[in-house]
This record gives sequence, structure tokens and C-alpha cells, in this order.
Amino acid sequence: DTGVSQNPRHKITKRGQNVTFRCDPISEHNRLYWYRQTLGQGPEFLTYFQNEAQLEKSRLLSDRFSAERPKGSFSTLEIQRTEQGDSAMYLCASSLIPGSGETDTQYFGPGTRLTVL
Amino acid sequence: GQQLNQSPQSMFIQEGEDVSMNCTSSSIFNTWLWYKQEPGEGPVLLIALYKAGELTSNGRLTAQFGITRKDSFLNISASIPSDVGIYFCAGPRVFGNEKLTFGTGTRLTIIP
Repeated sequence: DTGVSQNPRHKITKRGQNVTFRCDPISEHNRLYWYRQTLGQGPEFLTYFQNEAQLEKSRLLSDRFSAERPKGSFSTLEIQRTEQGDSAMYLCASSLIPGSGETDTQYFGPGTRLTVL
Repeated sequence: GQQLNQSPQSMFIQEGEDVSMNCTSSSIFNTWLWYKQEPGEGPVLLIALYKAGELTSNGRLTAQFGITRKDSFLNISASIPSDVGIYFCAGPRVFGNEKLTFGTGTRLTIIP
């Protein structure tokens, strides 16, 4: 299976600790997205990369959040000094840059479920 | 916050029944996407719609891009147990800006 993969699938941490998640996109996909999903809601956009460049960040992404995609392949999302409100499913998606007049089609990974105690 | 409203919020149907759900927006979307999400998993793309009025099928699923570009519909015919899940509509709010806005979701439960 060459879909989007995310690790770990589950993470339980204590408030105040730092956590890091990893996303491996579909091979050759040059765009990579991070979304957050809380219970009973649809995913909400956090940030996205085109190759190694971070092109947009949501206001949801506080200073405690940082994302990287150093070589334009896998990406990491780090949350520093976690808070209980950070508990959510963190989803990664990848896509190819679309042609003119098209919208890219995003394929999602299984997500990392974070629980902050 | 989210700008796409889905209805119904949840559905309880019997196996074999047809299902209809819709998604509406106060603003125009140039692309409509329908995803399905099962517990503990990420959303899986079902159907993508790119043109107003477009009607697209994927097996027992049929989706339509509303002519006003402010709504979309998803129908599932002859439902089966594996159709259980949450169905989300989504789209980019601004053409050329690729972040997706997701709807509130429709939870489908099938009674055997």
C-alpha cells in the first residue's frame, strides 16, 4: 500500500510535554497538508507545504505548533507544551500540483490521535 | 469556523434503502468533494465534482454539483452495512487556494 502513512497512530501525553508526529505522503506528491479534527467535527486546515516550502498557516496554528518538511518528502508536526485543548486527531493529506484550472485532489492518511491528560 | 452545512446530521436506515444527503454553503464553491470517514481512520475521497451541474457516479454513489454552485448532493443506492460512516462534503473556499473547508458531516447508521 503506497498511501499516506502517519506515525504514531495514537499518542497519550501529559500536559506540558512536547510531541512530534510524522507524515509520509504518497510518493511523488509535492503538496502536503496538516488538518486537525476534534470529535464530532470535520477536519480543519492547519498548514500546507508545496515541496519544502510552507505556503500557508491557519490562525489555528499557535506559536506552540511547528511543522517542517525539510526535503520535500516526509513532514513532521511538533506541538510544544501541550494543553488539554490540543487533544484531537491530526490528519495529514498529500496531493499533486494540479494543472491550470484544476483543483488538487487530497488523499488523507489514517491520522494520529492525540490525548493530552 | 466551518461554512458548509450538511443535512441531515445523522441517518438511521435499513439495509437496502437509498440514502440522500446534501451540503450547502453561503458562498460559491468551484469544486465539491465528498469524503467518507470510518472510526479511527482518515477521510477517503469518494467523488470529486468540478463543474456546476455535473453529475458523477462511483458505483452505487452519485453526486451532483448544484447549478448555483452553493450546494451539492450525494445519493447512495441500495445501502449495505459497509456504507456505515460519516460523510463529509468539502471544497476549497477560494479557487487556487487549496486548503479544504469541510462540512459538519452526516453520520450514516444502517440497521440490519
